[in-house]
Amino acid sequence: QSVLTQAPSVSGAPGQTVTISCTGSRSNIGAGYDVHWYHQLPGTAPKLLIFGDNDRPSGVPDRFSGSKSGTSASLAITGLQAEDEGEYYCQSYDSSLNGFVFGTGTKVTAL
Amino acid sequence: QVQLRESGPGLVKASETLSLTCSVSGDSIVDKYWSWIRQPAGKGLEWIGRIYSSGRAKYNPSLTSRVTMSVDTSKNQFSLTMISVTAADTATYYCARNLVRYPDDAFDIWGQGTVITVSS
Repeated sequence: QSVLTQAPSVSGAPGQTVTISCTGSRSNIGAGYDVHWYHQLPGTAPKLLIFGDNDRPSGVPDRFSGSKSGTSASLAITGLQAEDEGEYYCQSYDSSLNGFVFGTGTKVTAL
Repeated sequence: QVQLRESGPGLVKASETLSLTCSVSGDSIVDKYWSWIRQPAGKGLEWIGRIYSSGRAKYNPSLTSRVTMSVDTSKNQFSLTMISVTAADTATYYCARNLVRYPDDAFDIWGQGTVITVSS
């Protein structure tokens, strides 16, 4: 089972800001390990969106931003667009499990 | 550009062994880390294991008794073997390149995925 918890779904009107949360524990996010975010469209592989808490790979728009505090992390999408719909996953490292862990996933819908 | 492509049988019988291969193009497999990740239909992602080009591997503790990864640098490929599969192993299997940050890697390049169904 996933050790990082996300809300099942979030929605917003085009142009609005939506925030996706990822809650972990002291053995992963709370230990200071990096949080990474992925975007997945149906039937396709996940795509790296944010790495190292708030760095964007080349080609990812700057309306995507990440943050981290305590045992939680967040992804903000500023100016939501229809193409931003899909599933979003957070990911980190867990020292208790000694491995990489993913969040439960959040489905984003543009109303 | 860098591309990863998984290949596998599609259908495996319960209790038998699953073998998958990931072919890498546009990048050398040498001196890098590579992972396998799976996703049951409609569910979340699960990291299976990681291997370095030297052959040193690390596995998800929940799967370590059934999983082995290997690398073939001459073919620029790495592989996954999973024994004693059950219906719970039915999933889309992805190979991915690790963006090394040690120990908290990300996965920056993914294959398209291959669907594996375990039949009874």
